Amino acid sequence: GQQVMQIPQYQHVQEGEDFTTYCNSSTTLSNIQWYKQRPGGHPVFLIQLVKSGEVKKQKRLTFQFGEAKKNSSLHITATQTTDVGTYFCAPRGYGGSQGNLIFGKGTKLSVKP
Amino acid sequence: NAGVTQTPKFRILKIGQSMTLQCAQDMNHNYMYWYRQDPGMGLKLIYYSVGAGITDKGEVPNGYNVSRSTTEDFPLRLELAAPSQTSVYFCASSYGLRLGSDEQYFGPGTRLTVT
Repeated sequence: GQQVMQIPQYQHVQEGEDFTTYCNSSTTLSNIQWYKQRPGGHPVFLIQLVKSGEVKKQKRLTFQFGEAKKNSSLHITATQTTDVGTYFCAPRGYGGSQGNLIFGKGTKLSVKP
Repeated sequence: NAGVTQTPKFRILKIGQSMTLQCAQDMNHNYMYWYRQDPGMGLKLIYYSVGAGITDKGEVPNGYNVSRSTTEDFPLRLELAAPSQTSVYFCASSYGLRLGSDEQYFGPGTRLTVT
């Protein structure tokens, strides 16, 4: 079945540094969603990528979908303490049970002021 | 709109007890989901529903049951609770699997401990 690997598992940065998390799938994806979960909170939707090579930006966040639609990345420029949390990728495969989201284990980001 | 609501927020169960986790949404979403999240892990899909009267198993359905009698409500039933079911349970909903409209909205979660 579909497997998702998200790296790194943890990232500690100084405020103002950049941060990137990567999501890799063993199979070609239909689309991929990204979510953020603050400590003690619930996942909140950030974005969905659908097209091969797609790049989307939300202020300091840049999301990319690989050309082969098997990987994705989230890059945060100049991190702030408000960026603290765990970032999950949630790829979706094609059809049947593959049509459900498969959440990665997440990358936990801590930001030192 | 309240969005997705879950009750209770916390619960401690003894081994072998049963309980129902409640979930409701007021966004008229067709799709609803139950996930569990173990410490340091991602979310695992337990059950999902594509509409009233229709449910299907996810990745980790054993030990759980669901029903969907209305569009708004999607309760999760735990029978014969076991320590392995200690987790945080999230309910979520979405319009459906149409591209551009299937982002999932999550409830605040229920923290369950089985001892």
